[in-house]
Amino acid sequence: DAGITQSPRHKVTETGTPVTLRCHQTENHRYMYWYRQDPGHGLRLIHYSYGVKDTDKGEVSDGYSVSRSKTEDFLLTLESATSSQTSVYFCAISEDGYSTKQYFGPGTRLTVT
Amino acid sequence: DAKTTQPTSMDCAEGRAANLPCNHSTISGNEYVYWYRQIHSQGPQYIIHGLKNNETNEMASLIITEDRKSSTLILPHATLRDTAVYYCIVSGGSNYKLTFGKGTLLTVNP
Repeated sequence: DAGITQSPRHKVTETGTPVTLRCHQTENHRYMYWYRQDPGHGLRLIHYSYGVKDTDKGEVSDGYSVSRSKTEDFLLTLESATSSQTSVYFCAISEDGYSTKQYFGPGTRLTVT
Repeated sequence: DAKTTQPTSMDCAEGRAANLPCNHSTISGNEYVYWYRQIHSQGPQYIIHGLKNNETNEMASLIITEDRKSSTLILPHATLRDTAVYYCIVSGGSNYKLTFGKGTLLTVNP
């Protein structure tokens, strides 16, 4: 299995608070992605990164920001958490952007009350 | 992106081959067929992908029809641990995106 860890694995937070989720990889892959998974919607791309300090938006980026200061770490921040952001968040990595052979982390279950 | 159509659910007996179909009639020439699966509460797992030739790896075989409009994922000897949702995804070229549909829930029965 690809070396991908996510932290925390579970979090409960209150509406309006900032939250940061961390994805860490040991594969030295260039591309990293954040998805969210909700019932009835499947997995949806939030943001992705194609290198250190290089990021771009996915299809559901509103209310989220990301940062990548090192190859191995990709952070997802909910600037002011809302109940609609209650979800399971998955990080993924791939060697390049031309292959959709992605490896996923174990997920973070976030509940916003 | 080309769309895919998969059955909602399938059953398979343990030890038998599981054959999961996927239709992708609008696939273009530079698009690959990818298969992923997601076991309950875990992250999706890459299984296999192919362009036009049949492919086999340690997990599964992928059979793509000559016109590339459909494909079949074959798990040769299904086990209970293969119970999962299986996603067929078409992607390629400079398109890095994975678009997950609803997939097929495969239940392997003892």
